Amino acid sequence: DAKTTQPTSMDCAEGRAANLPCNHSTISGNEYVYWYRQIHSQGPQYIIHGLKNNETNEMASLIITEDRKSSTLILPHATLRDTAVYYCIVRTIQGAQKLVFGQGTRLTINP
Amino acid sequence: NAGVTQTPKFQVLKTGQSMTLQCAQDMNHEYMSWYRQDPGMGLRLIHYSVGAGITDQGEVPNGYNVSRSTTEDFPLRLLSAAPSQTSVYFCASSYWYRGSGANVLTFGAGSRLTVL
Repeated sequence: DAKTTQPTSMDCAEGRAANLPCNHSTISGNEYVYWYRQIHSQGPQYIIHGLKNNETNEMASLIITEDRKSSTLILPHATLRDTAVYYCIVRTIQGAQKLVFGQGTRLTINP
Repeated sequence: NAGVTQTPKFQVLKTGQSMTLQCAQDMNHEYMSWYRQDPGMGLRLIHYSVGAGITDQGEVPNGYNVSRSTTEDFPLRLLSAAPSQTSVYFCASSYWYRGSGANVLTFGAGSRLTVL
């Protein structure tokens, strides 16, 4: 499975867009990009996933570069409740239930 | 739907004691798994199951047993607890996300275990 690299921590002002980058330069053609977040020791929460195209749902947008070597999770209007650790994970469909969590990015939303 | 329910939420054990962490889901998910999370670290996969009667080992299976007799339940057993098993344990279940064919995990709230 492709390795991912994320910044250790980021800050964002409340109400602004939070843009969380993820590098996955060794991703293969059948691997999806998944994003989960974990709010203060709660169980991780699924946010969004994608293969090639940009994706949007009620929580966030996922922008995947054309070469698929990196992606960005966008929280369009960050709130204090978005403060969490965000995990970018790359897996195939077959392996998606056996997710490997790295250290993630600790996002702090400031008032 | 209750989602994924874990019990107990907190437990303190003495070294050598045994116990079972319970996990139940009411979403008719095929896949279930157990993760542990140590302070300041990401989650690590202990065991997983792709359906009733089928289990397999994950990244850190030593010291833990599982069974899957029903679709709904996936208990995690510690046969002889050790201080190194002090951790927060998360159970997860998953379904096939029909829109894209990907597999998305739903996690329980966690069980915090301390072994003295």
